[in-house]
Amino acid sequence: AQKVTQAQTEISVVEKEDVTLDCVYETRDTTYYLFWYKQPPSGELVFLIRRNSFDEQNEISGRYSWNFQKSTSSFNFTITASQVVDSAVYFCALSEFYNQGGKLIFGQGTELSVKP
Amino acid sequence: DSGVTQTPKHLITATGQRVTLRCSPRSGDLSVYWYQQSLDQGLQFLIQYYNGEERAKGNILERFSAQQFPDLHSELNLSSLELGDSALYFCASSAGDSETQYFGPGTRLLVL
Repeated sequence: AQKVTQAQTEISVVEKEDVTLDCVYETRDTTYYLFWYKQPPSGELVFLIRRNSFDEQNEISGRYSWNFQKSTSSFNFTITASQVVDSAVYFCALSEFYNQGGKLIFGQGTELSVKP
Repeated sequence: DSGVTQTPKHLITATGQRVTLRCSPRSGDLSVYWYQQSLDQGLQFLIQYYNGEERAKGNILERFSAQQFPDLHSELNLSSLELGDSALYFCASSAGDSETQYFGPGTRLLVL
């Protein structure tokens, strides 16, 4: 069965701290895709990154970085030098290639609060 | 701006009523997905259409239905509304299966 677990419900940090959001997934497929989305207080869902199961290279985009480890079925997200604007709910999601349609299976989300 | 539009942004209605939510995908995208976000269920996949045809179905209630029109816009119809249907309904579009889904701003439905 497919499942995404974000064990951290809420995280609170002070500005400029580094913070890591954890994501653990379950799938029987060998071909799958992992995503992170950001939901700021305004409510929209903003796409951050997509990785396929064959590419385990870590990725860095500005202050954001992602660590994908198939051995532990994890796809963690780190924000370096956090800012107040990073305050949002962050969702990790899984899409299976052989699951007709490629629907997204979301974790429960981690609410990040960055205080000045 | 993701390029996906949804109307209306907010909807307040009464139990037993029927509403229609509308979504226009990004230019060139053939797939449209509908998701429901509620406090108790989180983000749940409802249904997907690809180029006018139903492609996949999730936990969508029988009281709910959807369609995708020849111009690729989609509508989600919710009928016999119950208090528990109050939620944020998102539409997303993608170029195809397992491609990145871009989300619209959502329609916030409140059933009183």
